[in-house]
Amino acid sequence: QKEVEQNSGPLSVPEGAIASLNCTYSDRVSQSFFWYRQYSGKSPELIMSIYSNGDKEDGRFTAQLNKASQYVSLLIRDSQPSDSATYLCAVNFITGGGNKLTFGTGTQLKVEL
Amino acid sequence: SQTIHQWPATLVQPVGSPLSLECTVEGTSNPNLYWYRQAAGRGLQLLFYSVGIGQISSEVPQNLSASRPQDRQFILSSKKLLLSDSGFYLCAWSVGGTSGSFTQYFGPGTRLTVL
Repeated sequence: QKEVEQNSGPLSVPEGAIASLNCTYSDRVSQSFFWYRQYSGKSPELIMSIYSNGDKEDGRFTAQLNKASQYVSLLIRDSQPSDSATYLCAVNFITGGGNKLTFGTGTQLKVEL
Repeated sequence: SQTIHQWPATLVQPVGSPLSLECTVEGTSNPNLYWYRQAAGRGLQLLFYSVGIGQISSEVPQNLSASRPQDRQFILSSKKLLLSDSGFYLCAWSVGGTSGSFTQYFGPGTRLTVL
């Protein structure tokens, strides 16, 4: 089992809809969770971080964390064509993780007009 | 504010040639520094990370090496490039010390093509 898993997609949603991106992680003690957006040919940029169970909202983005079920998700409300990108989930595992993040392979999102 | 630079932006090198990629960070002291490689259509592979000058941890055995000659400078090198070294090389930094923040911020990347 990969340590951080994401569906590669593409996930296609119509403009204005809610996009839901999911990420599961292995059964290791973890403390920090991140979502990055990566446009084609560009470097990843941080969207959100979340540290405790529940929801965290920032504008059109909401991160959801459920440590018991080992998943973290990202909701994008009112999706826009400019949201079309690959979204990377990253986890800091306490044991053996140190200062490192473990990344999933990303989910490609396509927002269609 | 903090900024991270990488150069060159693109590079085309023949097989067997040497490599040197540079990364510098501004606006912070004693950062943790990271080198990643992203092959076409693949995820991020952590190659090296450093918590201080001269302190390098290697994640993947390969023909690459890294050095940190100054606090905010991180260099990725190779003596002889392989075709499989092609990819998008990303440098990242995070706050150092025991702050507990593991957020990483990425540089613009270097796209390397080995022919």
